[in-house]
Amino acid sequence: DAEITQSPRHKITETGRQVTLACHQTWNHNNMFWYRQDLGHGLRLIHYSYGVQDTNKGEVSDGYSVSRSNTEDLPLTLESAASSQTSVYFCASSAATGGGETQYFGPGTRLLVL
Amino acid sequence: AQSVTQPDIHITVSEGASLELRCNYSYGATPYLFWYVQSPGQGLQLLLKYFSGDTLVQGIKGFEAEFKRSQSSFNLRKPSVHWSDAAEYFCAVGAEAGSYQLTFGKGTKLSVIP
Repeated sequence: DAEITQSPRHKITETGRQVTLACHQTWNHNNMFWYRQDLGHGLRLIHYSYGVQDTNKGEVSDGYSVSRSNTEDLPLTLESAASSQTSVYFCASSAATGGGETQYFGPGTRLLVL
Repeated sequence: AQSVTQPDIHITVSEGASLELRCNYSYGATPYLFWYVQSPGQGLQLLLKYFSGDTLVQGIKGFEAEFKRSQSSFNLRKPSVHWSDAAEYFCAVGAEAGSYQLTFGKGTKLSVIP
């Protein structure tokens, strides 16, 4: 069965370190998304990609970057981790057939920045 | 820009009772509307979605939702709640063709009393 996986599932890091969260999907979806989930804020879009070599900023992109070198993967990098980036991060993917496509979510990565 | 409001942060119901979770959206044209469920420590799972046609949509796990354009609402309902329905529920709106982003509400946490 197709799926979307994230690794690691839990991560503890220190302020100032670079961190990369992995996202891998086997749906063969063109679209991929990164969200963060914080209490009281719901899900907020960080970055998204509509295909290989395409990346776009979302609502809360400061301090984050992504790159898309193949269809399956969209890693999220925190350039210099800050305590404000402690959160749960979700990756999602969807098809690109015209609009209204369902997004399929990974299990999440819980990140703690000390 | 589209937006979603879920007025209820937390709802508690008794097992076997009926449930209605409210969702109001703001969008100029006919939206794509989604309900997702998130169990503790898990990613989001699609319950149902609306994009055209019959305004009463059936989903998984016995849930349904009704699109009411005049009220800009897409409320989620279930006639008889089970203890396993305890989770957080997110309403989301998607824009028309060409944009694959979803805007999420802040979620409603459902607690079920045995």
